[in-house]
Amino acid sequence: AQSVTQPDARVTVSEGASLQLRCKYSYSGTPYLFWYVQYPRQGLQLLLKYYSGDPVVQGVNGFEAEFIKSNSSFHLRKASVHWSDSAVYFCAVSGTGANTGKLTFGHGTILRVHP
Amino acid sequence: DPKIIQKPKYLVAVTGSEKILICEQYLGHNAMYWYRQSAKKPLEFMFSYSYQKLMDNQTASSRFQPQSSKKNHLDLQITALKPDDSATYFCASSPPGTGGALETLYFGSGTRLTVL
Repeated sequence: AQSVTQPDARVTVSEGASLQLRCKYSYSGTPYLFWYVQYPRQGLQLLLKYYSGDPVVQGVNGFEAEFIKSNSSFHLRKASVHWSDSAVYFCAVSGTGANTGKLTFGHGTILRVHP
Repeated sequence: DPKIIQKPKYLVAVTGSEKILICEQYLGHNAMYWYRQSAKKPLEFMFSYSYQKLMDNQTASSRFQPQSSKKNHLDLQITALKPDDSATYFCASSPPGTGGALETLYFGSGTRLTVL
């Protein structure tokens, strides 16, 4: 069975500071990895995804994530956050095989950026 | 404008009743999904449909029945409601592509269901 752990339920940073949101996954095969963001009163939106190739993946709005297989991690980073980045961030994993749209999500990390 | 419309946004029901959650997508996608997010659990996959056919069902209870009357509709009927069914239900869709599990999901803003 696959699982995702986001160990930080809440993260608070000041505007302009760097950010790292942690994600660890458990999956026996080759994982597909995702980061989604949910702004207030909206649905989840994809930030970035990884399957293969360069382990550092660039996403929207200056976000990037690094796949570290040896550590089963896929942490999300941003060099300088803006107050508008305040949202809930979800890490997710999916396996190879038939496409059924089944993603396994973490509990999410609530990010608050102080202006 | 939202491309995936879920109605209603909020729903309060009594135990034992039946409700239908509406989902319509205007992205031209052929695959649609339901996910559930309850207070203490992460977002959980429930169903996936492709071309109006059930592809995957991870919901143990038959009280949850998806209904696809049109290609861009995937409603969710829930019968004999229980307080444990209280959650936010998200509809999602994905475009046709090369297949595999890497398709991007597009989510609606959810229906928050409270069962008293």
